[in-house]
Amino acid sequence: DADVTQTPRNRITKTGKRIMLECSQTKGHDRMYWYRQDPGLGLQLIYYSFDVKDINKGEISDGYSVSRQAQAKFSLSLESAIPNQTALYFCATSDVRDPYKAQYFGPGTRLTVL
Amino acid sequence: RKEVEQDPGPFNVPEGATVAFNCTYSNSASQSFFWYRQDCRKEPKLLMSVYSSGNEDGRFTAQLNRASQYISLLIRDSKLSDSATYLCVVLSGGYNKLIFGAGTRLAVHP
Repeated sequence: DADVTQTPRNRITKTGKRIMLECSQTKGHDRMYWYRQDPGLGLQLIYYSFDVKDINKGEISDGYSVSRQAQAKFSLSLESAIPNQTALYFCATSDVRDPYKAQYFGPGTRLTVL
Repeated sequence: RKEVEQDPGPFNVPEGATVAFNCTYSNSASQSFFWYRQDCRKEPKLLMSVYSSGNEDGRFTAQLNRASQYISLLIRDSKLSDSATYLCVVLSGGYNKLIFGAGTRLAVHP
C-alpha cells in the first residue's frame, strides 16, 4: 500500500463550488504539506503543518484553507473554486527527525475547474 | 530571479550516454539539497539527497558547490527508464521550506 494517499485522484468541478481534497499517510511523519503544480512551473507551497495544532500559510494560500484532523490526515479545501485553480495538487510529508528534511509525495489530484 | 534555476531541456540522449544537469540557487543560507525525479503526470520521487562532499548512488552522482551556489547531477550509462523530468530542490527559509526548480526534461532514446 502507498505510504501517502490522496483522494480523489481526479476531479472536475464548476466555478464557485466548494471542493475538498484529502491526504492520508501511514509513514508516521508529523509534517505535512500541500503543493500545486502548473505546467512548466515548479511546485508551489500552499499550506503546511508541523503537527496537529500547527497550520501555516505557504506562498499561494489565497483561496485555499486546510484542516489537520489527525497526525495522519491533512485536507485542502477550495472555498469557491475558480478556473485558475485548475492544477495538479500534491500532498507531501516529512519527518522532523530527518536532518535533511526530505519530503515524500502522494500520487496527486488532478483538479479541473470549469 | 528565480530561487532555483534549471535548464528546462529537453536533453535527448542515446542509451548508454552520460548526461549532466546543472542547477543554481540564490539563497546562500540554503540548508539541504535534493534531486527528485518526476514522470509525466506523476508525483515527484526523491532520487537522492546532495551532500557537501558529493555522493554517488549507482549510476547517479550528485555534487554541491556552495561557493558558486551550484548543484549538479550526473547520470552514467543512461537507460530508457531514466526518461523523466529531474527537479532540483533546495531547503531554504526559517520554516524549512522546499524550493523547487521547474525541472530539466531528459529523453533517452534507443
